[in-house]
Amino acid sequence: EPEVTQTPSHQVTQMGQEVILRCVPISNHLYFYWYRQILGQKVEFLVSFYNNEISEKSEIFDDQFSVERPDGSNFTLKIRSTKLEDSAMYFCASRRTGLNYEQYFGPGTRLTVT
Amino acid sequence: AQSVAQPEDQVNVAEGNPLTVKCTYSVSGNPYLFWYVQYPNRGLQFLLKYITGDNLVKGSYGFEAEFNKSQTSFHLKKPSALVSDSALYFCAVRDMQNYGGATNKLIFGTGTLLAVQP
Repeated sequence: EPEVTQTPSHQVTQMGQEVILRCVPISNHLYFYWYRQILGQKVEFLVSFYNNEISEKSEIFDDQFSVERPDGSNFTLKIRSTKLEDSAMYFCASRRTGLNYEQYFGPGTRLTVT
Repeated sequence: AQSVAQPEDQVNVAEGNPLTVKCTYSVSGNPYLFWYVQYPNRGLQFLLKYITGDNLVKGSYGFEAEFNKSQTSFHLKKPSALVSDSALYFCAVRDMQNYGGATNKLIFGTGTLLAVQP
């Protein structure tokens, strides 16, 4: 069964450094998402991406964040200058075209900013 | 604003007993509702969804959920709990406010920890 994959599984970085989180969505999916989950809290939407552009972003997704689909398979989230409060689990998700389809989530990348 | 509420932080149930994990929603229009499960240090796994049709929907691992429009609820159920069902369960609603746009993000509840005792 196809699944969403994410790398790395755990990233430790120093405050102010740039990080890139990588995702490979399911191959026939056209809608891509990033969510995050701060430890012990609920899952929050960051950004959605369709047709090579951002379709919606939350207020969390400020100028320090960017997304890219650099080739036909990868979908990346970049944080330009990490802050302590960016420490969280970051989930990538994808879904097929059509409103009735559910999103499938990757296993997540745990980002720790020190 | 669209939202979901999971009123219980934790549900404890004995193995073999039925379980219910509660979820209520607030949306404008018809809701698209989902349940996901998260095992420790794992991602979110899709369990089931309600889009339209029968109010009782069946999903993975023997779980089912009952959609109740009058009570705006979408409770997750299982007739006989297993210890391996112990996990964090999230209810979610699709945000339809950008209908016609290419988003439809999920809005999650705060999660309910299900603990099944042997």
